[in-house]
Amino acid sequence: QQQVKQSPQSLIVQKGGIPIINCAYENTAFDYFPWYQQFPGKGPALLIAIRPDVSEKKEGRFTISFNKSAKQFSLHIMDSQPGDSATYFCAASRSNDYKLSFGAGTTVTVRA
Amino acid sequence: ETGVTQSPTHLIKTRGQQVTLRCSSQSGHNTVSWYQQALGQGPQFIFQYYREEENGRGNFPPRFSGLQFPNYSSELNVNALELDDSALYLCASSSPTLGVHSGANVLTFGAGSRLTVL
Repeated sequence: QQQVKQSPQSLIVQKGGIPIINCAYENTAFDYFPWYQQFPGKGPALLIAIRPDVSEKKEGRFTISFNKSAKQFSLHIMDSQPGDSATYFCAASRSNDYKLSFGAGTTVTVRA
Repeated sequence: ETGVTQSPTHLIKTRGQQVTLRCSSQSGHNTVSWYQQALGQGPQFIFQYYREEENGRGNFPPRFSGLQFPNYSSELNVNALELDDSALYLCASSSPTLGVHSGANVLTFGAGSRLTVL
């Protein structure tokens, strides 16, 4: 049973565009929502994370929007660059839990 | 500070064989987790080790087993390999965290071991 559903599977944007990746979860006990970025041949790396007590968090060009009532959260990449081309995974967990539940991933391609 | 290193990077086995994958955790990290990433999918939690003991397990059969050593390095063993075991196996280390990540499992992943079962 997939606990975190992620969409779209892939998207292509032009440089400067804003790719948006959406995730939804079912388990209301989840209270930690990170995003990981994975380049080909590399392991995923933590990009940004949010707790459900805030509706938005920004770190550089990356923004997470969080809707607790809808059990949804999304990643926006502002002013996207070709170097942002990667696969992005949303994830969720409970505090002090030992495992992360990952979405299926979104491959983002930013064309120059 | 060295990151998480895994070996081997690629390997090919045949169905029914056994495989051992190795992982060295990032300096200062005392917890190791293993994830399986099938092609085109997100990582799936296999198990976690803390203080040389299994600290939690995902929905994987007993033929997936592991070890953690006193230096926090770890092994993943898979017996009786099946075709569906073909995947990228990711090791991740972690340690207690602060701030927004406090209490959360912040993972530092290695590049993975690509296993192909024929």
